[in-house]
Amino acid sequence: KAGVTQTPRYLIKTRGQQVTLSCSPISGHRSVSWYQQTPGQGLQFLFEYFSETQRNKGNFPGRFSGRQFSNSRSEMNVSTLELGDSALYLCASSLAGVGATEAFFGQGTRLTVV
Amino acid sequence: GENVEQHPSTLSVQEGDSAVIKCTYSDSASNYFPWYKQELGKRPQLIIDIRSNVGEKKDQRIAVTLNKTAKHFSLHITETQPEDSAVYFCAGGAGRRALTFGSGTRLQVQP
Repeated sequence: KAGVTQTPRYLIKTRGQQVTLSCSPISGHRSVSWYQQTPGQGLQFLFEYFSETQRNKGNFPGRFSGRQFSNSRSEMNVSTLELGDSALYLCASSLAGVGATEAFFGQGTRLTVV
Repeated sequence: GENVEQHPSTLSVQEGDSAVIKCTYSDSASNYFPWYKQELGKRPQLIIDIRSNVGEKKDQRIAVTLNKTAKHFSLHITETQPEDSAVYFCAGGAGRRALTFGSGTRLQVQP
């Protein structure tokens, strides 16, 4: 079965612009989480969506937002881009049954802000 | 919320030696502890996980131990090989809360 798919793989944007990243989870998975990965900072949790509702949120400014559609696909949006937003953005999907379960990661979108 | 601390941040071992990575967590409600391996340029992938009703789990050269009382868990890799070189992340989770990851350990296995 197909894995988690993220598009695009690479993006270059200018400061002040906005960007939208997409994540298609594994079929049947209803939970999608987003993480920011920067060198030395590990995996910083952005937010998690389940059944089109944001269920958890990390400590990121309001410029970072997301949504989930009825088919569980999720998008993440970053507005007014800053240089510090340059990072690898990973999404992960999981079954999200009762009790934490394995998260499956996509390949990530590498965002470069210039 | 949950806070997961991981150390060391870097670890260098000789091929054939053992490697140990340690994590602590803060939320006593956490009951699921996976370990992910991320090779250079690739996505993180699960290598082993443990639930709070188990104290130890092994899978060939990899083992994880959990001490619920002390709120810490460890990854043990025996007979390390160059292909074990990667960044390893621990994580803690519970119920419907998203996983909280440690800051990662870069393991370098010297041939």
